[in-house]
Amino acid sequence: AQKVTQAQTEISVVEKEDVTLDCVYETRDTTYYLFWYKQPPSGELVFLIRRNSFDEQNEISGRYSWNFQKSTSSFNFTITASQVVDSAVYFCALDSWGKLQFGAGTQVVVTP
Amino acid sequence: EPEVTQTPSHQVTQMGQEVILRCVPISNHLYFYWYRQILGQKVEFLVSFYNNEISEKSEIFDDQFSVERPDGSNFTLKIRSTKLEDSAMYFCASTVTKGTDTQYFGPGTRLTVL
Repeated sequence: AQKVTQAQTEISVVEKEDVTLDCVYETRDTTYYLFWYKQPPSGELVFLIRRNSFDEQNEISGRYSWNFQKSTSSFNFTITASQVVDSAVYFCALDSWGKLQFGAGTQVVVTP
Repeated sequence: EPEVTQTPSHQVTQMGQEVILRCVPISNHLYFYWYRQILGQKVEFLVSFYNNEISEKSEIFDDQFSVERPDGSNFTLKIRSTKLEDSAMYFCASTVTKGTDTQYFGPGTRLTVL
């Protein structure tokens, strides 16, 4: 069965601190895709990154970085030098042949 | 940049009424999806649709739900007789291929059942 676990319910940080969001997944598929989405207070789901199971290279995009470790089935997300605009719920998701399995989400609260 | 659109943004209905939620997927996309998010909870898969038929559905997608692509652009989700527990945000998504493509989501329709 497919499963995505985001154990952190809420993380509060002060602006400019770094914050790391954990994501652990379970799947029997050998080929799969992992995603992170951001859901700001306005409610929409904003795509951040997609990673396939054969590409374990870490990725950096501006203040965002992702660490994919197949050995531990983890796909963690770090926001460097957080800003108030980063306040949102962040979802990790696993694509199982077109059906996204989402984690429970982590609420990030960044205070000035 | 092309995007998925959804209407209405907010729908309020009485329990037992039928509602139709509308989505316009990205124009060259072939696979369409509906997801549901009850307030404060995670996003849950409802159904995927391809070539004018359902590809896969979850256990949430019971006989009260149906999907349709009535024309070349719209993709609809119908709830036949709404219940209080259907109150949620409903998201539509679309992709070119299945399983290897990024699902871009519409802005969602907030459904409130009174």
